[in-house]
Amino acid sequence: SAVISQKPSRDICQRGTSLTIQCQVDSQVTMMFWYRQQPGQSLTLIATANQGSEATYESGFVIDKFPISRPNLTFSTLTVSNMSPEDSSIYLCSVKPLQGGNTEAFFGQGTRLTVV
Amino acid sequence: GIQVEQSPPDLILQEGANSTLRCNFSDSVNNLQWFHQNPWGQLINLFYIPSGTKQNGRLSATTVATERYSLLYISSSQTTDSGVYFCAGPYSGGGADGLTFGKGTHLIIQP
Repeated sequence: SAVISQKPSRDICQRGTSLTIQCQVDSQVTMMFWYRQQPGQSLTLIATANQGSEATYESGFVIDKFPISRPNLTFSTLTVSNMSPEDSSIYLCSVKPLQGGNTEAFFGQGTRLTVV
Repeated sequence: GIQVEQSPPDLILQEGANSTLRCNFSDSVNNLQWFHQNPWGQLINLFYIPSGTKQNGRLSATTVATERYSLLYISSSQTTDSGVYFCAGPYSGGGADGLTFGKGTHLIIQP
């Protein structure tokens, strides 16, 4: 398994501002992902963070709102831009150590974001 | 894309009881996981089980891939088992290696 550290673990932000969430893994991994969990809901895939190239965003998520960086095989950031109260959610980083779909995914502890 | 349905949505049990949680898939899967989300929001891996049966202590899981369902069994429940249990299958959108989650089963174990 992989040890995943997310920072910050929680934050309260003013609307209109931006927050950058960091995800650090203790070993090189092939795949990194970002998920959102709105209050009382399930998890939804935001994007796949690609090393050295633009992230692959899922339907309903755009780069201007959720810019993602992945400078190497152990680190990624997700920025939530121009926040509104509707962005209040738990944001989770996930990794798959091995290439391909048939492998186990692991999750960071999540970042609990409240926008006021 | 694949649809994941979990049942029951809510379950309240007394400590010591056994329970079975179910996950149905709309299509065949080659990647299936069960998670427990604790009250602090952390997602804990329970099983990676695209087929067959696995056991880990009081928990076990069975996936019947040909019939598109998976079951999670919890025996001798403890209050620390409370939380939300999610199953997840392969995502079929642009993020092909990501996961699609069910809506979860909210389990409350009362002392």
